[in-house]
Amino acid sequence: LAKTTQPISMDSYEGQEVNITCSHNNIATNDYITWYQQFPSQGPRFIIQGYKTKVTNEVASLFIPADRKSSTLSLPRVSLSDTAVYYCLVGDIGGGADGLTFGKGTHLIIQP
Amino acid sequence: NAGVMQNPRHLVRRRGQEARLRCSPMKGHSHVYWYRQLPEEGLKFMVYLQKENIIDESGMPKERFSAEFPKEGPSILRIQQVVRGDSAAYFCASSPGRVADTQYFGPGTRLTVL
Repeated sequence: LAKTTQPISMDSYEGQEVNITCSHNNIATNDYITWYQQFPSQGPRFIIQGYKTKVTNEVASLFIPADRKSSTLSLPRVSLSDTAVYYCLVGDIGGGADGLTFGKGTHLIIQP
Repeated sequence: NAGVMQNPRHLVRRRGQEARLRCSPMKGHSHVYWYRQLPEEGLKFMVYLQKENIIDESGMPKERFSAEFPKEGPSILRIQQVVRGDSAAYFCASSPGRVADTQYFGPGTRLTVL
């Protein structure tokens, strides 16, 4: 049973805000939500992590509703270089590796 | 502070040979993870190690694959008697502590089995 569900692909244009939603209906109390970005032929790169409500850093925002059954990664004013695969992970802080399944992610394509 | 280093970046082996992939975690990180990625697929967790200990190997194939993270030196992912289906990108990540901590990934080793 998949722990997270994301759209397979999304398209947008330069300068737009992009929101990618991840469903995690079976999230557990100890789980954090983490998003990674991967470019072709490179390892994933950490974007943002949160537990509840809203988290913002210099590259993205993460919105988590009260029930925590989903989360939305928001990328403001995307550029062509944001074209990548984005993975949502739900991880147990207790040390188990249950949440280390990246799935196929969301392939975001930014057009000029 | 150097990032996670993996070598070799590319490895070619013939069927039946052994492949050894090395991973040096970031300085100060004691947790290492190995993942495999097939073309057009997501990363699949293989094994999670701390210094000298295997914490979780639930993603490792039961045969031919092994991993270690000795007290000194890099972590090693070893694949014995490689087959064509082992061709993939193998990524290593490290973190300072528990699983939910941010993982820092290396550039990967691309294994090709002829």
